Amino acid sequence: DAGVIQSPRHEVTEMGQEVTLRCKPISGHDYLFWYRQTMMRGLELLIYFNNNVPIDDSGMPEDRFSAKMPNASFSTLKIQPSEPRDSAVYFCASSLGRFGEQYFGPGTRLTVT
Amino acid sequence: DAKTTQPNSMESNEEEPVHLPCNHSTISGTDYIHWYRQLPSQGPEYVIHGLTSNVNNRMASLAIAEDRKSSTLILHRATLRDAAVYYCILRDGGTSYGKLTFGQGTILTVHP
Repeated sequence: DAGVIQSPRHEVTEMGQEVTLRCKPISGHDYLFWYRQTMMRGLELLIYFNNNVPIDDSGMPEDRFSAKMPNASFSTLKIQPSEPRDSAVYFCASSLGRFGEQYFGPGTRLTVT
Repeated sequence: DAKTTQPNSMESNEEEPVHLPCNHSTISGTDYIHWYRQLPSQGPEYVIHGLTSNVNNRMASLAIAEDRKSSTLILHRATLRDAAVYYCILRDGGTSYGKLTFGQGTILTVHP
């Protein structure tokens, strides 16, 4: 199994630009999570999906952030417009069942200048 | 969410056992104790979890105090590859979704 796949691995963009992060979960997993990691705030859960449906987006910092899961094998996290404070590593994770082990992808390092 | 307290950092020598402590004095009866670790420049990975009894797997052992207010992750023979941040997390098994809330974790350094 290839594990959770994220793209791009690195993204550098200018303030005000739209950024789209992509995730392919492990086949068969029914839960998908988006996390953000910064030095100041550590690892935070942004949103999670169950069977492609968003369940809890209370961790999404503001309306500039949006996430979608159009099918079981693909999810996106979009930031529009991006700001320097959005610079972080964004992880996608998936699990089988609500209490299953979460498998994390390698992350996308986002830098907004 | 019930909180956990871990030392900021620990050091070990290669091939020696490592005991990583975690305090969780406000743990509830439905909280599972989970451990994840994050190797440098990688996403976190699951290590082990337990509820009341001690647990063993190929990666580590988890020793849970009888009152469940503390636990210890045991790496039996540390290798350089075990250098990582180790997170002790309480996951509520009684709610509709057992959220993972990561704290600051313990930075483990392994010396050759």
